[in-house]
Amino acid sequence: EDKVVQSPLSLVVHEGDTVTLNCSYEVTNFRSLLWYKQEKKAPTFLFMLTSSGIEKKSGRLSSILDKKELFSILNITATQTGDSAVYLCAVTTFTSGTYKYIFGTGTRLKVLA
Amino acid sequence: EAGVTQFPSHSVIEKGQTVTLRCDPISGHDNLYWYRRVMGKEIKFLLHFVKESKQDESGMPNNRFLAERTGGTYSTLKVQPAELEDSGVYFCASSQVKFKVTEAFFGQGTRLTVV
Repeated sequence: EDKVVQSPLSLVVHEGDTVTLNCSYEVTNFRSLLWYKQEKKAPTFLFMLTSSGIEKKSGRLSSILDKKELFSILNITATQTGDSAVYLCAVTTFTSGTYKYIFGTGTRLKVLA
Repeated sequence: EAGVTQFPSHSVIEKGQTVTLRCDPISGHDNLYWYRRVMGKEIKFLLHFVKESKQDESGMPNNRFLAERTGGTYSTLKVQPAELEDSGVYFCASSQVKFKVTEAFFGQGTRLTVV
């Protein structure tokens, strides 16, 4: 069965800290890995990763994928209270002509002022 | 461009009643997905439409759940009769895949509470 595991489940840090969120996966017919940020409502897209070793960066956030070891990390530097959210990792697979998104449980990040 | 919209935002119904959730995907997106998040658990896949066809409904929990997408535009998810364990947040997402996968855009979710 396809599986996506995120760790830690929950994290509390202080403003200015750097955090690393982990996502590992075991799926058939991997196509890409996506990171989303969910605050109160709809998850919002952060990154899509398809190739190993290429870092994607957006401001203080960055992410990288390792397709050999089957994991990705999401780094947030100089955290701010506005970074508090649930961070979701999803893996897309392609089977029988259709794409499917498989989600992890999410990592709940709380940044204290 | 309007995003994915879901209606209602929150629904509270009694066990045994019927509820219908609606999702309007981004215009032009052929792929429409329904997901559900039960408290404390991961977001779980329910089903996937490509245009009006059900491509994959392997995640539907049982026959009390019925999803439709007539005309390939908006979709409805009906729960009849609702049970307590159906409570959760139901998310809809859409994507347009041509030659490579793109990110799915999510709606704000419908929180369903069955009492």
